[in-house]
Amino acid sequence: QFMLTQSPSASASLGASVTLTCTLTGGPTTYAIAWHQQQPQKGPRYLMTISSDGIQNKGDGIPDRFSGSSSGAERSLTISSLQSEDEADYYCQTWGTGTWVFGAGTKLTVL
Amino acid sequence: EVQLLQSGGNLMQPGGSLRLSCAASGFTFNNYAMSWVRQTPGKGLEWVSAISGSGNTKLYADSVKGRFTVSRDNSKNALFLQMDSLRPDDTAMYYCAKDPREYASGWYGPFYFDYWGQGALVTVSS
Repeated sequence: QFMLTQSPSASASLGASVTLTCTLTGGPTTYAIAWHQQQPQKGPRYLMTISSDGIQNKGDGIPDRFSGSSSGAERSLTISSLQSEDEADYYCQTWGTGTWVFGAGTKLTVL
Repeated sequence: EVQLLQSGGNLMQPGGSLRLSCAASGFTFNNYAMSWVRQTPGKGLEWVSAISGSGNTKLYADSVKGRFTVSRDNSKNALFLQMDSLRPDDTAMYYCAKDPREYASGWYGPFYFDYWGQGALVTVSS
């Protein structure tokens, strides 16, 4: 069964960098994915898409601190110069299977 | 500025009906497909339903097929989700979400979402 696998949690210090990973499992590893950020008590916010060759397409107003990359079945989101408002849940999503598939999310804590 | 403003969430009894609304602004509404996505602590984010820009194509997740109906009023820039025969496992935060592809007509399959509403909480409990 095709899934998007994410670590449940991650943490990093204020001002540091962190990389979150979304792994395509149980199916093709060529799908593009999208990253969405969900701050507490808010709706999700689109951050970027990442293709299998690492090409990114950012959403409106997304700072340069957010970047993405791709390697094999992994699609990564790197956040540099962490700020307190980056503390949120981060979800990956794909559509290559013919339906909408979401990862379970990673809760990022900024220390 | 794109905005999706939701309304309609409520506490409902099993078997009841509820209609969610999503008012869109900041883009040419009838040129974009829209979806409903729900979120629960246990199951995470789950796509529920999608509708093409013209409203001619409607898709549903198996979990809601036959009970939920998606519709849109392009003259009022509004998206709706009619929820009938509600069950406790329909309890969730419901989001409307916009497809980024601009097409005047047709349906082009699933894609990502570039804007989301703020959510509407639906609780189904006796």
